[in-house]
Amino acid sequence: SQTIHQWPATLVQPVGSPLSLECTVEGTSNPNLYWYRQAAGRGLQLLFYSVGIGQISSEVPQNLSASRPQDRQFILSSKKLLLSDSGFYLCACAGETDTQYFGPGTRLTVL
Amino acid sequence: EDQVTQSPEALRLQEGESSSLNCSYTVSGLRGLFWYRQDPGKGPEFLFTLYSAGEEKEKERLKATLTKKESFLHITAPKPEDSATYLCAVQARGSTLGRLYFGRGTQLTVWP
Repeated sequence: SQTIHQWPATLVQPVGSPLSLECTVEGTSNPNLYWYRQAAGRGLQLLFYSVGIGQISSEVPQNLSASRPQDRQFILSSKKLLLSDSGFYLCACAGETDTQYFGPGTRLTVL
Repeated sequence: EDQVTQSPEALRLQEGESSSLNCSYTVSGLRGLFWYRQDPGKGPEFLFTLYSAGEEKEKERLKATLTKKESFLHITAPKPEDSATYLCAVQARGSTLGRLYFGRGTQLTVWP
């Protein structure tokens, strides 16, 4: 079964600073990978998904971007953070089945 | 447009008091319905996948059922450790790359 790692676990950043969140997956090959954001009291919002190296699709226009430099590595980035970027960021992975499995998440606070 | 609605938003139960959580959905064709459990500050943990009306799945004190328009998560004789937020998600037939639509969740608290 797959294992999903995310880091850092928590992050406090000032407005206007850059961001890099990393997600790595073990136990599966060529997975579909997803980035979600979960805001307090709201459902999970899909931000990006990827079917392979270098293949990224965006669901919501915003100042975030994603990259997939390796098969099992997914990175979420921003050049300049906004207050509204605060939230709980989750990476998910789907292998041969439709089921998405989630990582432990990164709590981002933008001040 | 909301495609997944969960109710109630919050539920408080005494230990041993059975109840059900509801997930109603509107999709053109259901490919799968997923239930997850999420503890505070952690990622969602997969519980069940249901694919067709009439299907049921069980795990310990939890049983998930599916009809054409909704799913129920039945909790039998809950314990305090069952306290968590339960999330429901649907996947539509023909969805792009397994896209899931999530509800906002039901926050369950079980007190001793």
